[in-house]
Amino acid sequence: DAEITQSPRHKITETGRQVTLACHQTWNHNNMFWYRQDLGHGLRLIHYSYGVHDTNKGEVSDGYSVSRSNTEDLPLTLESAASSQTSVYFCASNSGTLNTGELFFGEGSRLTVL
Amino acid sequence: AQSVTQLDSHVSVSEGTPVLLRCNYSSSYSPSLFWYVQHPNKGLQLLLKYTSAATLVKGINGFEAEFKKSETSFHLTKPSAHMSDAAEYFCVVSDLGGSYIPTFGRGTSLIVHP
Repeated sequence: DAEITQSPRHKITETGRQVTLACHQTWNHNNMFWYRQDLGHGLRLIHYSYGVHDTNKGEVSDGYSVSRSNTEDLPLTLESAASSQTSVYFCASNSGTLNTGELFFGEGSRLTVL
Repeated sequence: AQSVTQLDSHVSVSEGTPVLLRCNYSSSYSPSLFWYVQHPNKGLQLLLKYTSAATLVKGINGFEAEFKKSETSFHLTKPSAHMSDAAEYFCVVSDLGGSYIPTFGRGTSLIVHP
């Protein structure tokens, strides 16, 4: 079955370190998204991609970067982790075709920055 | 531009009584609308979706929602709450013909009392 997997599921790091969260989907979807989830804020969009070599900033992109070298993967990098980036991160994908928009989610990655 | 407002951050019901979770949206295009559920420490699961077909949409676990264009609402209902319904619920809008980027509401926490 097609799926979307995130790794690591849990990560503890220190302020200033670089961290990369992996996202791999086997749906063959063009669109991929990274959200962060914080209490009282719902899910906020960090970055998204409509296809290979395409990346776009979301509403909370500062301190994060992504790259899309193939269809399956969209890794999220925190260049210099900050305590404000302690959160649960969700990767999602969809086909983007008309009358869908439904998102398929990974299980989430819980990041703690000390 | 699109946005979603979930009118209640918490809803508390007794087991066996009806559930109503309220969602209002704004959209510049014909919207797709979704409800997702998230149980504690889990990922997000699609409950139901509206994509310009029937305005009354039935989902999993006895939930349904009605798209009301005149009221720009997409409220989620269930006739009889079960203890297992206790979770966080997110209303999501995606503009068809626009950016296709899903926008989340802040979530409603459903509490079910025995």
